[in-house]
Amino acid sequence: AQKITQTQPGMFVQEKEAVTLDCTYDTSDQSYGLFWYKQPSSGEMIFLIYQGSYDEQNATEGRYSLNFQKARKSANLVISASQLGDSAMYFCAMRPGGNDYKLSFGAGTTVTVRA
Amino acid sequence: NAGVTQTPKFQVLKTGQSMTLQCAQDMNHEYMSWYRQDPGMGLRLIHYSVGAGITDQGEVPNGYNVSRSTTEDFPLRLLSAAPSQTSVYFCASTKQGAGYTFGSGTRLTVV
Repeated sequence: AQKITQTQPGMFVQEKEAVTLDCTYDTSDQSYGLFWYKQPSSGEMIFLIYQGSYDEQNATEGRYSLNFQKARKSANLVISASQLGDSAMYFCAMRPGGNDYKLSFGAGTTVTVRA
Repeated sequence: NAGVTQTPKFQVLKTGQSMTLQCAQDMNHEYMSWYRQDPGMGLRLIHYSVGAGITDQGEVPNGYNVSRSTTEDFPLRLLSAAPSQTSVYFCASTKQGAGYTFGSGTRLTVV
């Protein structure tokens, strides 16, 4: 199984500042997909952003961007202009390529945005 | 509304009791899966299914059974609940070319 590592259990960020959440992964596959999810205190899993291993451009979705460094097996999430509503747990996840849809998750990073 | 519906949202069981967590989706997704979420461990795959009649084990299958008689439904059964199964359970579905849709979760406590 793929291994996903998120080394930051918790982070504090000031409102309106940017924050980078680290994610590294271990796979021998050439084709794979990387996801970031947000889990607020209400508990639901909210999809944020996706990066395919063959995508040449880093993915962006509004205030979210993914800093994808394939050679380093790194897929860091950058949240720009943090808002109080960004306070949540964030999970990095990976699925293999082909017809394998099993998602592997990291342990998560809790982000707290301070006013 | 289209999506993944999980029931119940909360459940308290006594050790040794059995129960079924329900999961249904109306998006015609071939792939369905069950995860458990425990503090500090992210989500771990319990069982998954690639289509009706086909199921397989994930990372942590012990103590759980599944079946997939229809495309829409993928129930998770606890045959004899143990305190170690206290967790939050998520069902998710997807299909080729689609993202993953998660249910709202079931918080299970085994006492």
